[in-house]
Amino acid sequence: NAGVTQTPKFQVLKTGQSMTLQCAQDMNHNSMYWYRQDPGMGLRLIYYSASEGTTDKGEVPNGYNVSRLNKREFSLRLESAAPSQTSVYFCASSAQGLNQPQHFGDGTRLSIL
Amino acid sequence: EDKVVQSPLSLVVHEGDTVTLNCSYEVTNFRSLLWYKQEKKAPTFLFMLTSSGIEKKSGRLSSILDKKELSSILNITATQTGDSAIYLCAVSNDYKLSFGAGTTVTVRA
Repeated sequence: NAGVTQTPKFQVLKTGQSMTLQCAQDMNHNSMYWYRQDPGMGLRLIYYSASEGTTDKGEVPNGYNVSRLNKREFSLRLESAAPSQTSVYFCASSAQGLNQPQHFGDGTRLSIL
Repeated sequence: EDKVVQSPLSLVVHEGDTVTLNCSYEVTNFRSLLWYKQEKKAPTFLFMLTSSGIEKKSGRLSSILDKKELSSILNITATQTGDSAIYLCAVSNDYKLSFGAGTTVTVRA
């Protein structure tokens, strides 16, 4: 019963390198999300995909791109990593419709030197 | 801009104590308020409160939504060391969640 699976779990990058974080869910959910979590700031929404074929910016989209590859997979790409993007990244998914709780993956801890 | 504020930021209690966590919000087009528990990894869903369901209870945890005061509380009674975690409050408008910074609860044996 995997739920939401994120890869990798840890990654260290140098400034300027690119990286794609992968997320897959097996709950047949329509909506998927990417968040970052920084100390003292809670989770902030980077991008979301309300349904397959659509993506929208969240609160902090600058420096990131996303791809909704199919219903199961939603990837997050850093084209040119910066130290300010050092964070823990969480992917989440939810069933379609309002008032559906989001279910989270275990996160990717990303350090950019 | 949507805002979700949790208090206190952290607290330390002893096993058996009762804990009350607060969450206040200012969001446009409010749909629901959610509570999550985060231990080492993924936030795990606890409760969702909406206009049609303003009080929820599960075991030693309970939560109430006050739509007039734009706030919610999460109570944990007879705390155990396994309750040590960060408790996150989030408010939903349409498809998006806005999170508070969280309250770190430490339960000492």
